[in-house]
Amino acid sequence: DGGITQSPKYLFRKEGQNVTLSCEQNLNHDAMYWYRQDPGQGLRLIYYSQIVNDFQKGDIAEGYSVSREKKESFPLTVTSAQKNPTAFYLCASTQGSTDTQYFGPGTRLTVL
Amino acid sequence: GQQLNQSPQSMFIQEGEDVSMNCTSSSIFNTWLWYKQDPGEGPVLLIALYKAGELTSNGRLTAQFGITRKDSFLNISASIPSDVGIYFCAGRSYGNKLVFGAGTILRVKS
Repeated sequence: DGGITQSPKYLFRKEGQNVTLSCEQNLNHDAMYWYRQDPGQGLRLIYYSQIVNDFQKGDIAEGYSVSREKKESFPLTVTSAQKNPTAFYLCASTQGSTDTQYFGPGTRLTVL
Repeated sequence: GQQLNQSPQSMFIQEGEDVSMNCTSSSIFNTWLWYKQDPGEGPVLLIALYKAGELTSNGRLTAQFGITRKDSFLNISASIPSDVGIYFCAGRSYGNKLVFGAGTILRVKS
């Protein structure tokens, strides 16, 4: 079945450590996105990529980095510079210029 | 930047009741999307709207693209316990990225 996978489901890290969240899609979608979700807030865009080897900052990119070396993969690194990294992280993808974003199951990151 | 106001923030209703929620934007949108998110999962698309005045149904769910292009409504008829979750609206205007509302938390009392 086609879809978006995120791993791991739960992730724990010590403060000051970098951590990389995985996002893979087999939908052959061009564009991929990373969002952060905090309780009581809407989804906030971290980074997005519309094509391989290209990506743009979203609204809250500070303390995060991404890469897009393959069409199906868009990993997100939460660096030690991110002041409040504990959150639920969602990856999404779209085909071309369509607006409908399909989401992965999410990764809950807890920094201790 | 673009802003979306989604209301109500939360609802606690009896099973069998109808539910309404809405989103308003500060600017004109050309796309409205409604998603549902179960606890600990990613949002799932319910309904997509692309034209002002459009009314679209998906089972017991009905959504409308407001005629002013600045609002959208989602109605759920005859709610059941599995309707619980967070409902998000999302919208986009030409040349801009998709923006999300803060969500409406729905709790159903059986």
